[in-house]
Amino acid sequence: GEDVEQSLFLSVREGDSSVINCTYTDSSSTYLYWYKQEPGAGLQLLTYIFSNMDMKQDQRLTVLLNKKDKHLSLRIADTQTGDSAIYFCAEYAGGTSYGKLTFGQGTILTVHP
Amino acid sequence: DAGVIQSPRHEVTEMGQEVTLRCKPISGHNSLFWYRQTMMRGLELLIYFNNNVPIDDSGMPEDRFSAKMPNASFSTLKIQPSEPRDSAVYFCASSLVSDTQYFGPGTRLTVL
Repeated sequence: GEDVEQSLFLSVREGDSSVINCTYTDSSSTYLYWYKQEPGAGLQLLTYIFSNMDMKQDQRLTVLLNKKDKHLSLRIADTQTGDSAIYFCAEYAGGTSYGKLTFGQGTILTVHP
Repeated sequence: DAGVIQSPRHEVTEMGQEVTLRCKPISGHNSLFWYRQTMMRGLELLIYFNNNVPIDDSGMPEDRFSAKMPNASFSTLKIQPSEPRDSAVYFCASSLVSDTQYFGPGTRLTVL
């Protein structure tokens, strides 16, 4: 079955880079997503990567995908205090899953001034 | 587009009362998902619909929980009777099949 794992906590200093890691088990994943949840809010899509890509860059965000190891990472350059949030990775297996995503448990990112 | 709309945003009720949470998906989306989020259990998928038909309700915790989608623009999640352990934030999300899920702001439920 599908399973997505993330480390629970990450603490960085403002201005440093943050790297949030995620592993997944379903080799048939077609899309992999990163969502951000700020306190008291819903999940907001940050970025996604198609499974036939290795890397995607979007301003301060870089997503790396290692399909062989089923490892996904999100790098945030020049991390700001406003980046403090919970970050979820999620996989979409496609097929007959009707858009169902399998989410990791979320990584709490804390950015210190 | 207004995004996914959920109501109410906050609900405080007493144990044993019926609770109904409402969701309006993004127009044109044909899949709808209900999630529950707690500190202890994280984000849990409760049930999801495609073209108004329930596809998988294996995440619904007990028979006290039920969900309906009478049309493409409205869904409800009902808890009857409610218990303190149902206290959580409930999210609704919608998507086109094989596309990104968009989440609503959530309903924070407190059962006393």
